Amino acid sequence: SYVLTQPPSASVAPGKTASLTCGGYNIGSKTVHWYQQKPGQAPVLVIYYDTDRPSGIPERFSGSNSGNTATLTISGVDAGDEADYYCQVWDSNTDHVVFGGGTKLTVL
Amino acid sequence: QLQLQESGPGLVKPSETLSLTCTVSGVSINNSLYYWGWIRQPPGKGLEWIGNIYYSGSTYYNPSLKSRVTISVGTSKNQFSLKLSSVTAADTAVYFCARSNIASDDTSAEFGPWGQGTLVTVSS
Repeated sequence: SYVLTQPPSASVAPGKTASLTCGGYNIGSKTVHWYQQKPGQAPVLVIYYDTDRPSGIPERFSGSNSGNTATLTISGVDAGDEADYYCQVWDSNTDHVVFGGGTKLTVL
Repeated sequence: QLQLQESGPGLVKPSETLSLTCTVSGVSINNSLYYWGWIRQPPGKGLEWIGNIYYSGSTYYNPSLKSRVTISVGTSKNQFSLKLSSVTAADTAVYFCARSNIASDDTSAEFGPWGQGTLVTVSS
C-alpha cells in the first residue's frame, strides 16, 4: 500500500519559515492535502489540492508538490502555529485514503 | 453552517461491536457532491482513515479494517453510522467523522469540516 513519510518533529524560531515535508513515491502525480491539529482538537484543513488555501487560513500557509516530496511552508511562524501537521492523499491503486504519520511542529 | 457531531458509547468491551453515529447539520447527506467519512486517532498517535460512504450507499474501507467495518447512511435522519466488530484494546481511539469533497475523478479529496471527535475506550 502507498506510504506517506513525514519527519516526526520539526522546530522553528518565531518569525522564521517552517518547511514540513511529506514523502511518497511519485507523490507529485497525486493531490496532497494538509491538516493542522492542535492538542485536544479536531484536525483543520490548511492546504488542499497541493497549493490551495481554504478561506480563513492565513496566506502564511502555502504548499507545493513535485517528484517524491510535497511541502507545507509556514512563513512568519508564531506560537499559534505550534501543532501537529498531517498530509493526506487518495491512493488510486487501492482506492483508499492515506495519511502521513504527522509532524509535530515546535515553535522555539 | 455545516456541522458534524459524533455520538455513541464511550466504553466498549473487548470482542463486542463499536457503534457510532455522526449527525450532520447544515447540509443534507443525500448530496451527490460529497463523501462522508470516519477517521480515528489512537491516543498519542496519528490519524487513520477508516472509510467513506457516498449518499447512494457506496462504501470505501481501509483494507486493514475492511473485514470488521460497516459504514451506513441513516434512513430517516441526516446521519451516517460506523460499526466496528470484534474490537480489541488496539481500537481505543478518538473517532472523528468528516465530510470529504469529491475530486474531478470521483475519488475522495480533502476532508473538512470535521466533528469534534469522540473517545472510545475498549476495556472490560
